[in-house]
Amino acid sequence: NAGVTQTPKFQVLKTGQSMTLQCAQDMNHNSMYWYRQDPGMGLRLIYYSASEGTTDKGEVPNGYNVSRLNKREFSLRLESAAPSQTSVYFCASSVQDRGYEQYFGPGTRLTVT
Amino acid sequence: GESVGLHLPTLSVQEGDNSIINCAYSNSASDYFIWYKQESGKGPQFIIDIRSNMDKRQGQRVTVLLNKTVKHLSLQIAATQPGDSAVYFCAENRNTGNQFYFGTGTSLTVIP
Repeated sequence: NAGVTQTPKFQVLKTGQSMTLQCAQDMNHNSMYWYRQDPGMGLRLIYYSASEGTTDKGEVPNGYNVSRLNKREFSLRLESAAPSQTSVYFCASSVQDRGYEQYFGPGTRLTVT
Repeated sequence: GESVGLHLPTLSVQEGDNSIINCAYSNSASDYFIWYKQESGKGPQFIIDIRSNMDKRQGQRVTVLLNKTVKHLSLQIAATQPGDSAVYFCAENRNTGNQFYFGTGTSLTVIP
């Protein structure tokens, strides 16, 4: 049982490049989330998927898109990376979308130059 | 909520002492709270949770206290160990919507 896995672990992009961050969970959870974490700040929600087939914006969605590919997988896409998107990105999952703990992946450290 | 800034609040304790980490949450409609621990280079890890119909909840070496009157949450760690050194976050789940809001965190250092 691997929990929540993320790829890649590290990535460096040039401004304007695109990339997709991958996330998968093997806990049969219904809800999945993407957060970003900047130095000295708490996690901020980018997008979430309450259940397979649905996605919703979080606190900081601009510049990102998501796809809930199936129950296990939830990807985050940066269409045109900007230096302001330099951050550590965490994927998480939970049984349901309210009132349940979230399990986090190990994170992807992204640098945009 | 907690103050936002580039510098985390820090707490240093001697090994074996008890630690208390505080969190002020912002929304009186929040009804579910979690404490997470984050070690350097890793994702947040669940420690303990509490719902708004409770004032106190105990786990293994940890206790969470909730004071809804002043919107304050605390995490008590008994007999703090070097392995407890990490950043601790509180998160609140507001009952209007599906999002968790995270505090900026407190960095705990345990001195052997």
